[in-house]
Amino acid sequence: DTGVSQDPRHKITKRGQNVTFRCDPISEHNRLYWYRQTLGQGPEFLTYFQNEAQLEKSRLLSDRFSAERPKGSFSTLEIQRTEQGDSAMYLCASSFRDGYTFGSGTRLTVV
Amino acid sequence: AQSVTQLGSHVSVSEGALVLLRCNYSSSVPPYLFWYVQYPNQGLQLLLKYTTGATLVKGINGFEAEFKKSETSFHLTKPSAHMSDAAEYFCAVTLNQAGTALIFGKGTTLSVSS
Repeated sequence: DTGVSQDPRHKITKRGQNVTFRCDPISEHNRLYWYRQTLGQGPEFLTYFQNEAQLEKSRLLSDRFSAERPKGSFSTLEIQRTEQGDSAMYLCASSFRDGYTFGSGTRLTVV
Repeated sequence: AQSVTQLGSHVSVSEGALVLLRCNYSSSVPPYLFWYVQYPNQGLQLLLKYTTGATLVKGINGFEAEFKKSETSFHLTKPSAHMSDAAEYFCAVTLNQAGTALIFGKGTTLSVSS
């Protein structure tokens, strides 16, 4: 197992465009988390899944943000109508019991 | 709700000196506590964690942390700093349940000078 994979590593988009990021967790991990990290700040929790169920989404930053995990395996995070303030690193993590593993993140730049 | 406060956004030490990074937490239930390190343009790497049991936790790269319930603290220490320790360090807390989300502090940047 190669750990948590995130794709793409970098994304540059124009303001107003939609973007989608993918996260592939460790295969036996049933929980998956999305975080946003801006420069000089700690990761900010956005949402998480247990298998395909989204158990917490109140911390998604606005209704422009949505996440899915349709078959309980990989997950996608979509941002619609991107704004410059969405520029950040988006991190994915997965867990089983009390161990969390983070991916390397997707860096989004909105121009 | 849980929260974490990391005292000092920047800490500078000389190579060979003691490293002390401070973390205080707030939790209504017994917490799980973590320290992560992040190097530039990389993901988060787990240094150590406290769940239950022994309050002094040893981690990778010579780091350790002590859970002090009375002080609601989980400070990270290393007896002798190395240049390679220069990085961003994050303290995180979660509920005493498997699978709930980690809540992070704002981080402390550690600089090591020769």
